[in-house]
Order: sequence, then C-alpha cells, then structure tokens
Amino acid sequence: DAGVIQSPRHEVTEMGQEVTLRCKPISGHDYLFWYRQTMMRGLELLIYFNNNVPIDDSGMPEDRFSAKMPNASFSTLKIQPSEPRDSAVYFCASSRQRSYEQYFGPGTRLTVT
Amino acid sequence: DQQVKQNSPSLSVQEGRISILNCDYTNSMFDYFLWYKKYPAEGPTFLISISSIKDKNEDGRFTVFLNKSAKHLSLHIVPSQPGDSAVYFCAASGSNTGNQFYFGTGTSLTVIP
Repeated sequence: DAGVIQSPRHEVTEMGQEVTLRCKPISGHDYLFWYRQTMMRGLELLIYFNNNVPIDDSGMPEDRFSAKMPNASFSTLKIQPSEPRDSAVYFCASSRQRSYEQYFGPGTRLTVT
Repeated sequence: DQQVKQNSPSLSVQEGRISILNCDYTNSMFDYFLWYKKYPAEGPTFLISISSIKDKNEDGRFTVFLNKSAKHLSLHIVPSQPGDSAVYFCAASGSNTGNQFYFGTGTSLTVIP
C-alpha cells in the first residue's frame, strides 16, 4: 500500500491567495483527519471525516478554512484567503476506526509570505 | 488549552542508555494513549499504545507505562540507538473526546553515538 498521499509537499504563496492542500487516504480506511503542526501547539486536529462525512470541525480556526471529502479516496483542505500566521505543516491521516492508530501522510509545508 | 502536555522539548541520551520521555494529561476520561515517532520531513508513525485497563505495555525495546492516578505516562527506550533520534509525540483519546486524539507538543530525542 502506498500509504497516505499528500500534495503538494511544499507550498509557498503570498498573503491573500487561495491555497488548496490535497490528501488521498489509505484504501479501506473510513476515517480521515486533517492536522496542523506548529511549534507552540504541536499537532492540532482541524477536522475529521467518517465515511466522507465531516464529524467534527471545531478545530478549524476560522471561516477562511474549509475541507471537503467528495469520495472515499480524496479530501481537500482550502484556505482562502491565506495569511502569514497560517504558515505551518499540515498533515492528513487516516484510520480504520476510532480507537486504531492513525496513519499519517508526509505533510505539506505551507509558507505564506 | 493543552490537554496533553510534554514539558520537555528536548532530550539527549548516550547510545546504549535508557531514554525516558514523559507525558501528562488533564482529562480523566482519556482511556487510550499512543506514542508516535516523527523523523524530519516525514509524517508521524505509530510506535506503541496502551489502554487504561493496563499500566504497562512492552514492544521490544519500547515500553509505555501509565499512571492513571497521576495522569502521567512515560515511554522508555532501552537500549537507545542513534536511529531512535526523532521527535516523539504522545496522544490521548477518551469516551468524551468525540473520536479525536489530542496530541502533545513533542519531545525531540537525540541519541549520541
């Protein structure tokens, strides 16, 4: 299995631009999670899906952030408009069920200038 | 508010010695705990877990101890190897956390050859 795939690996954009991060979970996993890693707060859960349905988006910092999962093999996290404080590493993870370990993708390093 | 805390940002240990990484939590409803290891430019990978019905779980060189009364868990690595140099995250979940795991900020372990 290829594992969780994220693209792009690096994204540099200017403040105010739209940014779209992409994730392909492991086939057969029915949970998908989006995290943001910062030095101050570690790994923060932004949103997670179960069977393509958003379950908890309370971690999404602002309305500028949105996430979709149109099918079992694809999810996007969009930031519009982006701001410098959004600079972080964004991880996507998937799992079979709640109490099982999550498998993380390699992350997308976002830099907003 | 951080519900899972790793108060030591970094730790250095000589090869062959024991590494002890600590983690504290505040939510008494947490009942499942995991440790993840993260190398630079990669996503976190699952290392070991423990359920609250146990106080110890061992897997090769890695042992996790859970002290529920103190709301504290620790990861012991014996003997430590240079390849263990990475950032270690602890994570916790419980029946009242809505299917999500809360992560600490991580401890960077350096094993000196």
